[in-house]
Amino acid sequence: DGGITQSPKYLFRKEGQNVTLSCEQNLNHDAMYWYRQDPGQGLRLIYYSQIVNDFQKGDIAEGYSVSREKKESFPLTVTSAQKNPTAFYLCASSRQEPSNYGYTFGSGTRLTVV
Amino acid sequence: KQEVTQIPAALSVPEGENLVLNCSFTDSAIYNLQWFRQDPGKGLTSLLLIQSSQREQTSGRLNASLDKSSGRSTLYIAASQPGDSATYLCAVVAYSGAGSYQLTFGKGTKLSVIP
Repeated sequence: DGGITQSPKYLFRKEGQNVTLSCEQNLNHDAMYWYRQDPGQGLRLIYYSQIVNDFQKGDIAEGYSVSREKKESFPLTVTSAQKNPTAFYLCASSRQEPSNYGYTFGSGTRLTVV
Repeated sequence: KQEVTQIPAALSVPEGENLVLNCSFTDSAIYNLQWFRQDPGKGLTSLLLIQSSQREQTSGRLNASLDKSSGRSTLYIAASQPGDSATYLCAVVAYSGAGSYQLTFGKGTKLSVIP
C-alpha cells in the first residue's frame, strides 16, 4: 500500500545537537511538507517542497533545514539553533495541485530534548 | 491571512448520539476543505475531502458539508461510538501564489464518546 513513512517514532536530542527526521513517500506525490504540532497550537508549517531540489520556508522555518534530493524523500534537520524543539513533527505529501486529492500524512515523530 | 476556527474545542457525548462539529474560515477563496481524525500520539487520517464546488461529501456515518460563501463547514457523525473518540481537525487549501498551495488547520475538536 502507498503511504508516508516517518522515522524514528521517538527521538531524543541533547542540548546543542542536530538531529534529522526521516520522511519517505511512495505515492508519487510531487509536493512534500513538514509540520510541527504543539498542544493547543494546532499544526504549523515549517518547510515545503513542490519539486525535487527546491523548497520554501513555511511559517516557522528558523532553526530547521531540509533537503529534497529525491522525489520520495524529504528529511528535516532540527538544528541547535532551534531553542524549543520538543514537539510532534508530521510529514505530509500531495500532488502538485491538491485540489482534487488532498493531503496524506505520516504517523509522526515525537522529538524530546533531554 | 486565512484563519480556521473549530468550535467546540472539546465535546463529550453518550454513545449512540448524533453530533455536529463546526469549522469556520475567514477567506472563502479556497480550493478544498479536508477533515482529518487524529488519535493520541498518532498522525492524521483523512476522513473527507470536499471540493470548493461541492456542497457535501459522505462516508459511512460521516457527512461533511461546505458553505463556501459563508466560510463554514460541518462534520456530522451519526450514531456515535466509543471508537469515534479522537481529535477532529478541519483544514482548508488555498492558492498562495507561485504555483504553491497553503493548507491551514484549525486547532481541532477533541471528541469523547462515553459508553
